[in-house]
Amino acid sequence: GAVVSQHPSRVICKSGTSVKIECRSLDFQATTMFWYRQFPKQSLMLMATSNEGSKATYEQGVEKDKFLINHASLTLSTLTVTSAHPEDSSFYICSATTGGTDTQYFGPGTRLTVL
Amino acid sequence: GNSVTQMEGPVTLSEEAFLTINCTYTATGYPSLFWYVQYPGEGLQLLLKATKADDKGSNKGFEATYRKETTSFHLEKGSVQVSDSAVYFCALEEQAGTALIFGKGTTLSVSS
Repeated sequence: GAVVSQHPSRVICKSGTSVKIECRSLDFQATTMFWYRQFPKQSLMLMATSNEGSKATYEQGVEKDKFLINHASLTLSTLTVTSAHPEDSSFYICSATTGGTDTQYFGPGTRLTVL
Repeated sequence: GNSVTQMEGPVTLSEEAFLTINCTYTATGYPSLFWYVQYPGEGLQLLLKATKADDKGSNKGFEATYRKETTSFHLEKGSVQVSDSAVYFCALEEQAGTALIFGKGTTLSVSS
């Protein structure tokens, strides 16, 4: 099956710094990637939808200037958490789809801890 | 808006017991329905799916039937194993290629 990777798997940073998370589709071209956030013992909440070559579409309540998303190629999307604060600590998960299909492939997630 | 409601866990079973995890949804139109599984320390994996009413998705002994009349997609397995211990998420996709809407997840713990 299709594989999606995320890097890093875990990151710890100081408050006020920025962190970049990469999401890659390893064996297929992803026209659309989604970024989700999962709080402990809670469900995944969609943060934004990223289409290759265009600006990401953010969900209501998600600050686009804080969570910068770039989808520069068909195999890579990045999420940058700018000026991170402890409340940004969470599990961030990306998924990718080739478009026109109802199958999404999920990455393994990135655990962000902001001290 | 669209939503997914799952039974709350944790669900604790003995090996070879019968499993049911309830899932109901609210949606306009005709969504596709999914069950994903998340093993400890791993990412989400698609377990099974159904794209239209009365479809039955099945995989690894798990089954779920898309019931439009009851807006349900309950997950069942006749005989669970210790290796089935994981968190199970029910999800819907309103249109192909759009983001999934997830339930809160149900933790299953199976003991030998």
